[in-house]
Amino acid sequence: NAGVTQTPKFRVLKTGQSMTLLCAQDMNHEYMYWYRQDPGMGLRLIHYSVGEGTTAKGEVPDGYNVSRLKKQNFLLGLESAAPSQTSVYFCASSKTSRIPNEQFFGPGTRLTVL
Amino acid sequence: AQTVTQSQPEMSVQEAETVTLSCTYDTSENNYYLFWYKQPPSRQMILVIRQEAYKQQNATENRFSVNFQKAAKSFSLKISDSQLGDTAMYFCAFGSGGGADGLTFGKGTHLIIQP
Repeated sequence: NAGVTQTPKFRVLKTGQSMTLLCAQDMNHEYMYWYRQDPGMGLRLIHYSVGEGTTAKGEVPDGYNVSRLKKQNFLLGLESAAPSQTSVYFCASSKTSRIPNEQFFGPGTRLTVL
Repeated sequence: AQTVTQSQPEMSVQEAETVTLSCTYDTSENNYYLFWYKQPPSRQMILVIRQEAYKQQNATENRFSVNFQKAAKSFSLKISDSQLGDTAMYFCAFGSGGGADGLTFGKGTHLIIQP
């Protein structure tokens, strides 16, 4: 199993450009999440999904959109990138088990917006 | 909303020593889970240990153990016989019992193991 994978690993954008980050998991997990990590801030939840076709806002959703058209994929979109969105982005997934919050993380995407 | 506080931005100990990382949290829920994640320089988030709030017994995983004080809302991580490979950022995280919501993380503690 590859676990949770993220594409791309690094990206540099100019202000105003758009891009999509792809997260894929092969563990048949129901729940998927997008976090951002900034220096000294820990991880903060952007959006999450409890199943195919459903999404919900997290703590810091502004400037981002998400879609979950297939159970195994969770896409994070930036329509008009801003320097404040420079961050490391992590995707995670979890299964609906007796320990539902145990999340498995991808390797992260480092995004720089100039 | 829940909050998680890690009051030690950085700690440094000698190899083979024991070190304790502190974490406190605030919640009105009774059913929840607590986690410690390790983030080495590779950036990968690695689950170290987890604790279910309804269990009184403290969790242990080899050299890692927790001191869970539910009434005090405290969840500290003890690393015994520390090794150079333990050098990393350590994050305390809270998960509500409902299961679907994401985790709430502390700001992390940078642990350095000196040779």
